[in-house]
Amino acid sequence: DIQMTQSPSSLSASVGDRVTITCRTSQDIKSNLAWFQQKPGKAPKSLIYAASRLQSGVPSKFSGSGSGTDFTLTISSLQPEDFATYYCQHYNSYPLTFGGGTKVEIK
Amino acid sequence: EVQLVESGGGLVQPGGSLRLSCAASGFSFSDHYMDWVRQAPGKGPEWVGRSRDKANSYSTEYAASVKGRFTISRDESKNSLDLQMSSLKTEDTAVYYCTRSQTSYHFMDVWGKGTTVTVS
Repeated sequence: DIQMTQSPSSLSASVGDRVTITCRTSQDIKSNLAWFQQKPGKAPKSLIYAASRLQSGVPSKFSGSGSGTDFTLTISSLQPEDFATYYCQHYNSYPLTFGGGTKVEIK
Repeated sequence: EVQLVESGGGLVQPGGSLRLSCAASGFSFSDHYMDWVRQAPGKGPEWVGRSRDKANSYSTEYAASVKGRFTISRDESKNSLDLQMSSLKTEDTAVYYCTRSQTSYHFMDVWGKGTTVTVS
């Protein structure tokens, strides 16, 4: 199984900050990676697919990069609605697996 | 509007069975892979299993933790995705989400709101 390691597990940031979250996989997954945002009591929401492609309707302040085993999600200017937990997930092979999550909190 | 609505969750005793359903609307159900994903209280999402599209005969894949106990099936006439769960364990307690995968990249682009299963 492919292991997904997200870092940090949590971070505190201020409105307007640039935030970067990292996801590392235990095997080469090419660009078969997605990022999700989840708010308390809600289902995850798709943000990024194919490592760097923005899902329809998602604001351009979100961006993704990477390929192979190292990936990043960047939020260019953090807004109040962005405080949430973020997960990476690979879809390169079975089983599909998720990272442990990064909780973004208000400083 | 693309919509996924799960139903069938509830309280069940260990060793029991439960059947979840997902009603899909607003898209061509047979053209998409569909997945079940669960999330235990306070934990991250965990993939449960997948039903490929009609072109791939709705073939299935399962996580090791549920293989042999859970079965995914589709009813084309109802645009419904089902998850039959048996030999339930306390560790199966979670919110269960039905998801649609995008046709080209097969990532989970649409999620339902989830249904809660409690095994106790």
